[in-house]
Amino acid sequence: AQTVTQSQPEMSVQEAETVTLSCTYDTSESDYYLFWYKQPPSRQMILVIRQEAYKQQNATENRFSVNFQKAAKSFSLKISDSQLGDAAMYFCAYRSTNTGNQFYFGTGTSLTVIP
Amino acid sequence: GAGVSQSPSNKVTEKGKDVELRCDPISGHTALYWYRQSLGQGLEFLIYFQGNSAPDKSGLPSDRFSAERTGGSVSTLTIQRTQQEDSAVYLCASRPSVSSYNEQFFGPGTRLTVL
Repeated sequence: AQTVTQSQPEMSVQEAETVTLSCTYDTSESDYYLFWYKQPPSRQMILVIRQEAYKQQNATENRFSVNFQKAAKSFSLKISDSQLGDAAMYFCAYRSTNTGNQFYFGTGTSLTVIP
Repeated sequence: GAGVSQSPSNKVTEKGKDVELRCDPISGHTALYWYRQSLGQGLEFLIYFQGNSAPDKSGLPSDRFSAERTGGSVSTLTIQRTQQEDSAVYLCASRPSVSSYNEQFFGPGTRLTVL
């Protein structure tokens, strides 16, 4: 099974500053999908951004962007102009295009935004 | 439109009792997942339903755990003879089709506490 590693259990950022959350994964596949999910205290998981492995261009969604390094199996999330509402747990997830329908999640990074 | 709903929101039970957790997926979504999220941990895959196919039960931790999905819609996760280590948040997610690109849409979860 694929493994997803988030090495930063906790991160903090000043409001309006930029923060990068790291994620690495282990796979032997060449085609797959990567996701970042946000889980606020309400527990409702929300998709932040996704990336298809065959696309070289990094995905961007407003203030959220990724740095996808396929060779390094790295998929970091950059949050620009951090807002108080960005405070949450962030989970990185991997989905194979070949082997079943499972999503593999990392253990999450808790992001605190300091006013 | 309505999102994924789960009930109850919180459940407190005594060790040894059986519990049933319910998930109502988004209408028309054919895929349904159950996950367990323990404190400080990522999402642990439990079971996956896709249409009328046999479910993928590979993540169920023991035979005390079972799940069913009636009419391809509502799903119930049953935990028999609950143990304290079953205490966790149980998350349900649905997807609109087998398309690999589609993300999961999550419910708010059920927090289970076993005393």
